[in-house]
Amino acid sequence: DTGVSQNPRHKITKRGQNVTFRCDPISEHNRLYWYRQTLGQGPEFLTYFQNEAQLEKSRLLSDRFSAERPKGSFSTLEIQRTEQGDSAMYLCASSLSKGDTEAFFGQGTRLTVV
Amino acid sequence: AQSVTQLGSHVSVSEGALVLLRCNYSSSVPPYLFWYVQYPNQGLQLLLKYTSAATLVKGINGFEAEFKKSETSFHLTKPSAHMSDAAEYFCAVTPGGYQKVTFGTGTKLQVIP
Repeated sequence: DTGVSQNPRHKITKRGQNVTFRCDPISEHNRLYWYRQTLGQGPEFLTYFQNEAQLEKSRLLSDRFSAERPKGSFSTLEIQRTEQGDSAMYLCASSLSKGDTEAFFGQGTRLTVV
Repeated sequence: AQSVTQLGSHVSVSEGALVLLRCNYSSSVPPYLFWYVQYPNQGLQLLLKYTSAATLVKGINGFEAEFKKSETSFHLTKPSAHMSDAAEYFCAVTPGGYQKVTFGTGTKLQVIP
């Protein structure tokens, strides 16, 4: 078990470009979460999956954002037509679906939109 | 709805001194509460969690926290600070079970030699 893996670790993109991030959860974890963290703030919930089903989406997840987990394993988060305000650390976490278990976080993908 | 307030965005302590990081929560249902630590450019690591069992929770690296329902608090303490404790600490709440977690804004701990 190598923990939650996120790729890439850093991404610099020009405004208006599309970007895609990948998250590989811990293998037996059926829940997967995406959070966004801006400087000086705590992580903010974006969305979560149980297996391949996307169960909840935050209002922060605008139409330009889409997340998928097609086979219930890895997940992708795509941002279309990036804006400077999208610059942030994007964190992925995974957990079992038992009530009192914690989530394990990846190291994040830092996005800079220039 | 849930929310977390962390008092003090920056806390400085001397090495060997008591660490006290404050967290107050608001939850419409009995909460689960967590403390996470984040080192620069890293993800979050769970320090400890409260899930309605014992109110005094012990975590890793000598940290502990006490759930006080009457005060809606979940303060994090460590008897003796170590240089390696310098990091940012986040208190978090969820309405029972790890689903949508709400984080506080974080407290940066500085340890002075």
